[in-house]
Amino acid sequence: LAKTTQPISMDSYEGQEVNITCSHNNIATNDYITWYQQFPSQGPRFIIQGYKTKVTNEVASLFIPADRKSSTLSLPRVSLSDTAVYYCLVASMDMGRRALTFGSGTRLQVQP
Amino acid sequence: DADVTQTPRNRITKTGKRIMLECSQTKGHDRMYWYRQDPGLGLQLIYYSFDVKDINKGEISDGYSVSRQAQAKFSLSLESAIPNQTALYFCATSDPRYGNTIYFGEGSWLTVV
Repeated sequence: LAKTTQPISMDSYEGQEVNITCSHNNIATNDYITWYQQFPSQGPRFIIQGYKTKVTNEVASLFIPADRKSSTLSLPRVSLSDTAVYYCLVASMDMGRRALTFGSGTRLQVQP
Repeated sequence: DADVTQTPRNRITKTGKRIMLECSQTKGHDRMYWYRQDPGLGLQLIYYSFDVKDINKGEISDGYSVSRQAQAKFSLSLESAIPNQTALYFCATSDPRYGNTIYFGEGSWLTVV
């Protein structure tokens, strides 16, 4: 698995756009980038996945530059309920015999 | 109903006791995982299984054992529980046929006193 680096924590206010960047310098050609969200005492849940350029769904956008060495999760107009830990994973669809491991994630705190 | 179900959801046990956490899934996925999460920290992989006959150690397997009874069932055992195994335990599934998205259970709080 490509090693990922994220900020440990971020603070924001309600209504602001939040961008969380993940660095993955050794991403492989067939790797995808997936983001998960975890609320306290709950299991992480899938937010968004992408391979290149931009992906958008009803929850977030994912921006991936041409070199794919980083990616940015964008949360538009955050609310208090977006306070959570966000994990970036980089892995291929066919993992072979490798398991999916998580880093420490980014703890987002949204203030009123 | 949840796709990934864990039992028990909460358990308090004494040091030295054997405890089993059970997990079942209805997603039909081949791969199943057990993760541990200490308060305020990230997820650590304990064991993972690619199918019924393929079980592998993760980052922190010491003190734990697992059993994959069927494609849908994956249990985690603490043979002799100790207080520093107090944590939140998650079972999860994924399948490369479906993009390898990981689906987590609701977690099992285990307290060892």
